[in-house]
Amino acid sequence: GAVVSQHPSRVICKSGTSVKIECRSLDFQATTMFWYRQFPKQSLMLMATSNEGSKATYEQGVEKDKFLINHASLTLSTLTVTSAHPEDSSFYICSAAGGDRLRRANYGYTFGSGTRLTVV
Amino acid sequence: GIQVEQSPPDLILQEGANSTLRCNFSDSVNNLQWFHQNPWGQLINLFYIPSGTKQNGRLSATTVATERYSLLYISSSQTTDSGVYFCAVASARQLTFGSGTQLTVLP
Repeated sequence: GAVVSQHPSRVICKSGTSVKIECRSLDFQATTMFWYRQFPKQSLMLMATSNEGSKATYEQGVEKDKFLINHASLTLSTLTVTSAHPEDSSFYICSAAGGDRLRRANYGYTFGSGTRLTVV
Repeated sequence: GIQVEQSPPDLILQEGANSTLRCNFSDSVNNLQWFHQNPWGQLINLFYIPSGTKQNGRLSATTVATERYSLLYISSSQTTDSGVYFCAVASARQLTFGSGTQLTVLP
């Protein structure tokens, strides 16, 4: 139980194009999802918190217009990197909170498998 | 925000050796997790352990919440244990990650 599916796992795009990354909770409803970015040999940094049915909350220094987040249902959140540049190349990982309180109390937060974005 | 420090930053072991990884945090937490990030980037949830001690095979973890630290023990290490180990804590709803420990187990 508590599986989070993230797609695509790897994407290469040209500068100036947009890329959409999907994060799905497969066996539970995720009222809140989190998007992280990880640069090589660094830790995970929280970019934004996505709440179903409302606007995402972005961390300081993260551009809202560049990283569009949509959480239209209790099982799906998307991150769109708009007008991508080479410096946006990174590993993006989503995490989901939700499901029943007992599961969260025993297992914590569940992470997707990540998306490696390369902008050329 | 909450600060999370992990030590050591790097650790090289011979196969079969034991090791202890440490995570210090700056405030009270209601969630602490240990993860292993494999070479493909996937985060493997090892333990959810806001307090107390848990064991899973060769791995065990202890969190002393009152003293704001957690320890991850790896016994009889194997080459497949190599990778980055992260500690992550939450005082509200979001997780804050430590900087990780890069573990290399040599055959």
